[in-house]
Amino acid sequence: DADVTQTPRNRITKTGKRIMLECSQTKGHDRMYWYRQDPGLGLRLIYYSFDVKDINKGEISDGYSVSRQAQAKFSLSLESAIPNQTALYFCATSDLPWTSGIRANTGELFFGEGSRLTVL
Amino acid sequence: RKEVEQDPGPFNVPEGATVAFNCTYSNSASQSFFWYRQDCRKEPKLLMSVYSSGNEDGRFTAQLNRASQYISLLIRDSKLSDSATYLCVVNSNAGGTSYGKLTFGQGTILTVHP
Repeated sequence: DADVTQTPRNRITKTGKRIMLECSQTKGHDRMYWYRQDPGLGLRLIYYSFDVKDINKGEISDGYSVSRQAQAKFSLSLESAIPNQTALYFCATSDLPWTSGIRANTGELFFGEGSRLTVL
Repeated sequence: RKEVEQDPGPFNVPEGATVAFNCTYSNSASQSFFWYRQDCRKEPKLLMSVYSSGNEDGRFTAQLNRASQYISLLIRDSKLSDSATYLCVVNSNAGGTSYGKLTFGQGTILTVHP
């Protein structure tokens, strides 16, 4: 089983509908992220969370909201979907990258398999 | 200017060829650098970190040039299985916090043909 699981994997919806993408992880990481990927634009950060009580906006948070229900769960919502939110969405987790100048680990991101969302 | 820029390619090379990708970054305060690989319709996965002294992992060599603000990835003896998109990732630690802003390049497409 995948360490980072996203549901649904594919979704087609209509403009104005509310959509929730869910992410769960078994890696025990505190840090979780939501990215979207568009052709030619790379991955862009939507929201990130360092722990259950910590939620932060990324570079493209408008039109999105998130909920960190538990350490292992981080969901992304589109309150009223619009066609330019059609994209491939990735959830990711990571451990702490650096601690007090000492390399704790690489801060590697572990991605889910992605959720392809189409808004008509 | 984009924070992280890559030549999108595509690079089409025969098996056995050597191919190199460059990635430039604009923030001189950037602290750490990575190459990720993404197969078609799959999630990105870490290929290797890039250290100041340069590092090698089998057929893959990564180098960092802080003065010119670019990183590179060299693949020797290309295999068909190397066909993928290679993503440059730059982590700019801000304000001394342990989290830096991870910025992804748009990716370079590599196709290795027989």
